[in-house]
Amino acid sequence: NAGVTQTPKFQVLKTGQSMTLQCAQDMNHNSMYWYRQDPGMGLRLIYYSASEGTTDKGEVPNGYNVSRLNKREFSLRLESAAPSQTSVYFCAARGGSQTGELFFGEGSRLTVL
Amino acid sequence: QKEVEQNSGPLSVPEGAIASLNCTYSDRGSQSFFWYRQYSGKSPELIMFIYSNGDKEDGRFTAQLNKASQYVSLLIRDSQPSDSATYLCAVAGGFKTIFGAGTRLFVKA
Repeated sequence: NAGVTQTPKFQVLKTGQSMTLQCAQDMNHNSMYWYRQDPGMGLRLIYYSASEGTTDKGEVPNGYNVSRLNKREFSLRLESAAPSQTSVYFCAARGGSQTGELFFGEGSRLTVL
Repeated sequence: QKEVEQNSGPLSVPEGAIASLNCTYSDRGSQSFFWYRQYSGKSPELIMFIYSNGDKEDGRFTAQLNKASQYVSLLIRDSQPSDSATYLCAVAGGFKTIFGAGTRLFVKA
């Protein structure tokens, strides 16, 4: 039972390159999220998907796109990476309505040169 | 103004003392309130959640919520060196969960 799995764990890009961060959950949760974490900034919400087939912008969506491929998978794409997107990215799945707890993946550390 | 505000710290307390962490939020429609703990290089993990005004206790942890003041706090009693981490306050309304910047706590042995 892996919970939330993110790939890759580490990636180095050059400015202007594109890449996709993959996230999959085996918890059968409806809602999934992408956050970025920078030093001193806490977690900032990029996009979320309340349920399969829906996506919504969070606090910092510019420069990113997402796809909710199915209930299990939620991907984050950087079309033209910029140094300002150097960060640690966390995917999360949200538990049932009783708690609303977020279950996080291990994070993906992205460096844009 | 950020939606969820926390004192970034660091907060330093001696072993065995009470650590008090505070958080304020701006959206009065917020419904659920959480405290996550994050060790360096790791992902956040939930330690407390609270929905109703008042106190909620779980072991050494007590969460306090005051919706009128838009204020959430976390008390850690008998602090241990293993409690040294960053504590993230999170506020949810509907499907969105927004985090504060986190407070770094150091517990000195």
